[in-house]
Amino acid sequence: SQTIHQWPATLVQPVGSPLSLECTVEGTSNPNLYWYRQAAGRGLQLLFYSVGIGQISSEVPQNLSASRPQDRQFILSSKKLLLSDSGFYLCAWDGAATAGEQYFGPGTRLTVT
Amino acid sequence: AQSVTQPDIHITVSEGASLELRCNYSYGATPYLFWYVQSPGQGLQLLLKYFSGDTLVQGIKGFEAEFKRSQSSFNLRKPSVHWSDAAEYFCAVGLNDYKLSFGAGTTVTVRA
Repeated sequence: SQTIHQWPATLVQPVGSPLSLECTVEGTSNPNLYWYRQAAGRGLQLLFYSVGIGQISSEVPQNLSASRPQDRQFILSSKKLLLSDSGFYLCAWDGAATAGEQYFGPGTRLTVT
Repeated sequence: AQSVTQPDIHITVSEGASLELRCNYSYGATPYLFWYVQSPGQGLQLLLKYFSGDTLVQGIKGFEAEFKRSQSSFNLRKPSVHWSDAAEYFCAVGLNDYKLSFGAGTTVTVRA
């Protein structure tokens, strides 16, 4: 069966520090991968998605970037965090056989102080 | 513009009572439709989906949803709510590019 992992689970970082969040998927090949941000009391905002290694599409211009160095690895980064980057970050995947049916990781709670 | 609307921000229901959560969408074509549930501090879990065919779909945990094309709606229902159903519920729609658009969510509180 497929599983999706995210780490760390929680993170407290000062303003201006770098960020690296990692997401990995097991049990499937060539998944579509997604990064979402969920601000307190709000819905999910799609940040990036990737349909293959090295292929990244950005949905919202911002302080963040994403990379996909391996088929089942998706990384969210920032060079300098802003207070507004605080939130709950969720990684998700879907496959060609389950188009649009996304499966989510447990999330990372990021607090920028 | 494409949008997903969940009109109810918060619903309180008694344990054992029925529950209905509303979802409306605005798209040019019939999209793929989903309902997800999120427990506090957790990721989202897929409850059910509609792609085509029978407009009444059954999901996990006793939930069902009905697609009504004429009303552009995909409402979620459960006949008898359990305390463990307290969570946040998200409606989502997708088009052929696989990207999903989510509603703002409805928080469900279950009282004893």
